[in-house]
Amino acid sequence: AQSVTQLDSQVPVFEEAPVELRCNYSSSVSVYLFWYVQYPNQGLQLLLKYLSGSTLVKGINGFEAEFNKSQTSFHLRKPSVHISDTAEYFCAVRSARQLTFGSGTQLTVLP
Amino acid sequence: GAGVSQSPRYKVAKRGQDVALRCDPISGHVSLFWYQQALGQGPEFLTYFQNEAQLDKSGLPSDRFFAERPEGSVSTLKIQRTQQEDSAVYLCATSVTDTQYFGPGTRLTVL
Repeated sequence: AQSVTQLDSQVPVFEEAPVELRCNYSSSVSVYLFWYVQYPNQGLQLLLKYLSGSTLVKGINGFEAEFNKSQTSFHLRKPSVHISDTAEYFCAVRSARQLTFGSGTQLTVLP
Repeated sequence: GAGVSQSPRYKVAKRGQDVALRCDPISGHVSLFWYQQALGQGPEFLTYFQNEAQLDKSGLPSDRFFAERPEGSVSTLKIQRTQQEDSAVYLCATSVTDTQYFGPGTRLTVL
């Protein structure tokens, strides 16, 4: 069985500061990894994904993530956040067909 | 429309009532997934269709939950004899390759 752990349930950060949202996964097979963002009362929007190849993945809105197989991690980073980045962020791993999600990290960007 | 749509967006039911939630996929997307997202949690897999075939229903929590996709397009998730623990956001996602695209969800509240 696969699982995803998001180590921080809430991350407050000041505007223009860097941020890292942590994600660890467990899986006995090759993995596909995803980060989604969810704004209030909306569905999930894909930020970025890792399928294979380069371990540094760039996504939308200036986000990037690095796949680390030895540490079974897929942390999300952004060098300078904006107020509009305030949202819930979910890390997910794909097994067979469906996604297994972490419990989410609420990112709050403070002015 | 260009994205996944779901209706209704909000549904309030009295305990014991039956409800039906609809998902309209992106045109041409053969794979369709249903997820349940409890308050403050990540989405959890319920069931998966490829065209009209329901290939995986391992996540359905009880036999009160039933999903169908008779013509391989629109899907309906039905919950019979709703209970308070069924209160959640129900998300539909569709895909053609490795990325799932999510609808806005239906928020079900059972009183």
